[in-house]
Amino acid sequence: EAGVVQSPRYKIIEKKQPVAFWCNPISGHNTLYWYRQNLGQGPELLIRYENEEAVDDSQLPKDRFSAERLKGVDSTLKIQPAELGDSAVYLCASSLGSPGLASIEQFFGPGTRLTVL
Amino acid sequence: KQEVTQIPAALSVPEGENLVLNCSFTDSAIYNLQWFRQDPGKGLTSLLLIQSSQREQTSGRLNASLDKSSGRSTLYIAASQPGDSATYLCAVNTGGFKTIFGAGTRLFVKA
Repeated sequence: EAGVVQSPRYKIIEKKQPVAFWCNPISGHNTLYWYRQNLGQGPELLIRYENEEAVDDSQLPKDRFSAERLKGVDSTLKIQPAELGDSAVYLCASSLGSPGLASIEQFFGPGTRLTVL
Repeated sequence: KQEVTQIPAALSVPEGENLVLNCSFTDSAIYNLQWFRQDPGKGLTSLLLIQSSQREQTSGRLNASLDKSSGRSTLYIAASQPGDSATYLCAVNTGGFKTIFGAGTRLFVKA
């Protein structure tokens, strides 16, 4: 069974440029998460989808970040325009069910390492 | 607000040693706790999931325990190997369906 797929794996852009990340979750997983991980820290949730609905986007900087999950399967996270402080690893995860259930386990993709120059 | 702390931040041990990684959290109202492994430049690999009603989970040389009342979890690694070198992260699923991660413990096992 294929795991969570993310692309690209690496991206280097200049500040003020736009950038987009793509994620395909594990087949059948209805919940999808986007996290940002800064160097030396744990991941922090940006947005969580249940099917095609964004149910938690409280940590998403909405002035420059946007996300979509059309048809409730794969998802795209966009930054426009990028700032120096956006340099981080962007991780996508999925789970079968919402995190409010004790048995729910999250599975992560390899991440996209973004460098903003 | 839930906070997750992992101690130590880094650990270096000789091969074959048994070791314990610690994770503490401030709010005991959690649904579960998950331990992950992260290799440099890679994503997170799930190691063990402990549900709030459970006390421990085991997988091979790994054993994770959970004490909700004291806000603590430990990950025990038996007979460590150089291949165990990685960053180990714990994450709690808490009220409001939030997943809060610790900063991780960087483990280095010397051959």
